[in-house]
Amino acid sequence: EPEVTQTPSHQVTQMGQEVILRCVPISNHLYFYWYRQILGQKVEFLVSFYNNEISEKSEIFDDQFSVERPDGSNFTLKIRSTKLEDSAMYFCASQDPNSGANVLTFGAGSRLTVL
Amino acid sequence: AQRVTQPEKLLSVFKGAPVELKCNYSYSGSPELFWYVQYSRQRLQLLLRHISRESIKGFTADLNKGETSFHLKKPFAQEEDSAMYYCALSPYNFNKFYFGSGTKLNVKP
Repeated sequence: EPEVTQTPSHQVTQMGQEVILRCVPISNHLYFYWYRQILGQKVEFLVSFYNNEISEKSEIFDDQFSVERPDGSNFTLKIRSTKLEDSAMYFCASQDPNSGANVLTFGAGSRLTVL
Repeated sequence: AQRVTQPEKLLSVFKGAPVELKCNYSYSGSPELFWYVQYSRQRLQLLLRHISRESIKGFTADLNKGETSFHLKKPFAQEEDSAMYYCALSPYNFNKFYFGSGTKLNVKP
């Protein structure tokens, strides 16, 4: 069964450093998402991406965040200058709107620890 | 505003007991409702959707528009059901999903 893959599984970084989290969505999916889950809290929407541009973003997704799909397969989330409160599990998800099923398929997540 | 509420953070039951995980939502239109499950050290995965009206792993959920609820039920809990359960809502222009805060189900032997 096709999967959404995410790398790295865990990254530890110093506050102020840049981090790039990578995702390979399912190949025929067209919508891509990033969600985050701070330890013990709920899964929060960050951003959705369609047709090579952001379709929607939350208040959390401020100027320090950016997304891109540089090569048609990878979908990346960049955090420019990490803060302690960015420590969380980041989930990538993809969706095929043409399947008739409004379903997100999630990756296993990337755990980011900011020291 | 769209909002999903799961009032219980933790639900502990004994094996064989009935389970009901509560989910209430507020949305001005007609959303699609889902339950996602996250087993220990695994990814979030879809458990069921309200429009499918199916039973998955013995779980069912009925959308009650009058009460704006989408509670997840299982008549006889199993130990392998222990996991985090998230209720989610998606408007029908489906490029955004809203998740509840999750309920941890602990099924004791």
